[in-house]
Amino acid sequence: DAEITQSPRHKITETGRQVTLACHQTWNHNNMFWYRQDLGHGLRLIHYSYGVQDTNKGEVSDGYSVSRSNTEDLPLTLESAASSQTSVYFCASSEFGGPPSTDTQYFGPGTRLTVL
Amino acid sequence: EDKVVQSPLSLVVHEGDTVTLNCSYEVTNFRSLLWYKQEKKAPTFLFMLTSSGIEKKSGRLSSILDKKELFSILNITATQTGDSAIYLCAVCAGGTSYGKLTFGQGTILTVHP
Repeated sequence: DAEITQSPRHKITETGRQVTLACHQTWNHNNMFWYRQDLGHGLRLIHYSYGVQDTNKGEVSDGYSVSRSNTEDLPLTLESAASSQTSVYFCASSEFGGPPSTDTQYFGPGTRLTVL
Repeated sequence: EDKVVQSPLSLVVHEGDTVTLNCSYEVTNFRSLLWYKQEKKAPTFLFMLTSSGIEKKSGRLSSILDKKELFSILNITATQTGDSAIYLCAVCAGGTSYGKLTFGQGTILTVHP
């Protein structure tokens, strides 16, 4: 069955360190997204990609970067982790183009990141 | 800027009660509205509503979309403890915002036995 996985599931790091969160999907979806979820804010978009070599900034992109070298993976990098980046991070994917039914995004299990 | 507002933010009921969750939105170039359920893990898809599909039902859950008044409701009848979760509403726009979802804050539903 197609799925979307994230690793690690839990991560504790220190302020100033570089951290990379992995996201891998086997849906063969062109669109991939990274969100963070904080109490009272719902899901906020960090970065997204419509395909290989394409990346775009979301509403809360400062301090984060992504790269897309293949269809399956979209790693999220925190260049210099800050305590304000303590959060739960979700990766999602969806099909590209077509009718509104392709708008549905499928989510990974999440990564809980703590920055001390 | 696209905006989604959900209400109430939290709700506590007893098993058997009926609940109504609200979602209002402001979005240019509307394509679809989606409802997700989140239980201590990843959000899972419930319904999608579009201009051509403004009412959906699945078992005890149902949802409608009012494109004129820019809101949607999610109804859950005969609630069960397993319905306890965060319910998320999101809208998808077209044009330059294609494919992106804008989420509301979510409604935390707690169902007591």
